[in-house]
Amino acid sequence: GESVGLHLPTLSVQEGDNSIINCAYSNSASDYFIWYKQESGKGPQFIIDIRSNMDKRQGQRVTVLLNKTVKHLSLQIAATQPGDSAVYFCAESGVDSNYQLIWGAGTKLIIKP
Amino acid sequence: EAQVTQNPRYLITVTGKKLTVTCSQNMNHEYMSWYRQDPGLGLRQIYYSMNVEVTDKGDVPEGYKVSRKEKRNFPLILESPSPNQTSLYFCASSERKRTDTQYFGPGTRLTVL
Repeated sequence: GESVGLHLPTLSVQEGDNSIINCAYSNSASDYFIWYKQESGKGPQFIIDIRSNMDKRQGQRVTVLLNKTVKHLSLQIAATQPGDSAVYFCAESGVDSNYQLIWGAGTKLIIKP
Repeated sequence: EAQVTQNPRYLITVTGKKLTVTCSQNMNHEYMSWYRQDPGLGLRQIYYSMNVEVTDKGDVPEGYKVSRKEKRNFPLILESPSPNQTSLYFCASSERKRTDTQYFGPGTRLTVL
């Protein structure tokens, strides 16, 4: 069946270092992937997305990498700041899910001073 | 300011007492949806609406109802709440379709005793 999972439920990173949050997906037919950030007490907020015809996409301080061969998605945050502390969710969709987003369980990113 | 609003933000109720959580967006979005968020389970979609008078079940619709009489509003109704509906609920909207960037409300924390 379809599933989106995360390798690590909690990730601790030193302030200023780069963070890498990983996500595995099981449905090879998924063609759209998205990352959301959820700060404490708030709703999820869009960070970046990528379609399956790409393997890399960059935003402001964030990069999403897509490896379709191993069905792996990652979010890289450069020069991690205290404001990056949050739970990060990946989600996928495709024809098999009727283009509904299938959400992962989330990874909590903790920034160490 | 473009936003999704939900009310109430916090609600404690008792089993069987009907309740409604309101959701409103001011972005003229066609697509709206409701999610519940539980620890370790990520976001699960309850119901969604592609447009006025068009609603459909998500992954976990049992025990919930919705209506979409106006484009901006998408209330979530629990006719007879039960303790297993204790959760954090999010309303979201997107411009046209489910894979457009979704904008989330601030959340409603519901406790059913």
